[in-house]
Amino acid sequence: AQSVTQLGSHVSVSEGALVLLRCNYSSSVPPYLFWYVQYPNQGLQLLLKYTTGATLVKGINGFEAEFKKSETSFHLTKPSAHMSDAAEYFCAVDADRGSTLGRLYFGRGTQLTVWP
Amino acid sequence: DARVTQTPRHKVTEMGQEVTMRCQPILGHNTVFWYRQTMMQGLELLAYFRNRAPLDDSGMPKDRFSAEMPDATLATLKIQPSEPRDSAVYFCASGSGRGVNNEQFFGPGTRLTVL
Repeated sequence: AQSVTQLGSHVSVSEGALVLLRCNYSSSVPPYLFWYVQYPNQGLQLLLKYTTGATLVKGINGFEAEFKKSETSFHLTKPSAHMSDAAEYFCAVDADRGSTLGRLYFGRGTQLTVWP
Repeated sequence: DARVTQTPRHKVTEMGQEVTMRCQPILGHNTVFWYRQTMMQGLELLAYFRNRAPLDDSGMPKDRFSAEMPDATLATLKIQPSEPRDSAVYFCASGSGRGVNNEQFFGPGTRLTVL
């Protein structure tokens, strides 16, 4: 079975500080990887995704993530946090690389708090 | 701006009542997912469909939950009878389901409270 581990259910940073949200996956082959963000009382929105090619991918709102096969990781970063980044962030994997059923496996989420 | 829509956005009901939640996927998307989100369990996949056919509903309590797609523009999730432990936010998501564009687009959710 596929699994996604997000280390740290809560992360707090000061405004302007680096944001680092960790995601590790287990998969027999490199999967497609996604980060979603959920603002209060809203559905999940796609931040960025990795499928093939360059392992450093850039998403919306200044976020980026790097796929590291050797570490089975896909950590999300942003150089400078903004108050509006406060939300819950979910890492997800498509272990079938889009070839079959389209199912994504989601992590438990990391709540990001940004202090002024 | 194509979006997944869900109705109702909020539902408060009493234990034992039937609850029906509706979802309109993005036009052209052939895969529809139902999720449940709670503080304790996080985001759980309940069921999903491709081209209106159910692919997997193993995440759903079979005795009280049912999911259908009467047509390509409507997906429904029913709970009968509802119980307090069903209180959660239910999300519908749609996608094209394959290839490098295998991302899911989520609706705003239905917040269900069963008293």
